[in-house]
Amino acid sequence: QVQLVESGGGVVRPGGSLRLSCAVSGFTFTSHSMTWVRQAPGKGLEWVAVISYNGGFTYVADSVRGRFIISRDNSNNTLFLQMNNLRSEDAAIYYCARGRTTTNFSPPDFWGQGTLVTVSS
Amino acid sequence: DIQMTQSPSSLSASVGDRVTITCQASQDIKTSLSWYQQKPGKAPQLLIYDDSHLNTGAPSRFSGSGSGTDFTFTITTLQPEDIGTYFCQQYDDLPFAFGPGTWVDIK
Repeated sequence: QVQLVESGGGVVRPGGSLRLSCAVSGFTFTSHSMTWVRQAPGKGLEWVAVISYNGGFTYVADSVRGRFIISRDNSNNTLFLQMNNLRSEDAAIYYCARGRTTTNFSPPDFWGQGTLVTVSS
Repeated sequence: DIQMTQSPSSLSASVGDRVTITCQASQDIKTSLSWYQQKPGKAPQLLIYDDSHLNTGAPSRFSGSGSGTDFTFTITTLQPEDIGTYFCQQYDDLPFAFGPGTWVDIK
């Protein structure tokens, strides 16, 4: 069955960095775009970034542009989110999600359980 | 950027009731709209994509309609397991955006 497992979350000081990973299984990784979505405690969903099926196209939200980088390793079925210069407002549960189709413009249809990022001094 | 709004922000209804949530986009998104259910402490689950297509495994009591800027999500017969927050999302143009969510509870 389709599985997405995030890791790499934790506590980091403001200005620090973290690299989130999302290991996937149960489907052909190279047939789907992939997305990161975050959710601050008690808040709604915020779309963060998307990457095309082959990694050739990426797009990140304005709120994280210049600080976050989305990438993927298709040889190892893994999605990444490199987060630099973290701010208190970046604290959230980060979900990786599979795009429903190969195209970048498709909604996420399977989600991981999320990894918690806490930004605190 | 496209902005999404939802109403109501919360509702309480009885088991068996028909429940309707609306979602509005700040510009035409054609039918590039999805609906998600999120239960407390869990990841969201896709229910509806492309405005009105039921995702595999989603119960048939869930449906979606609309196009352009105005969309509706309906639960035809509310069940106890439907408690949770429902979000719409547009994927017509980047950056994709979610609505603020509607909390659905049982009376």
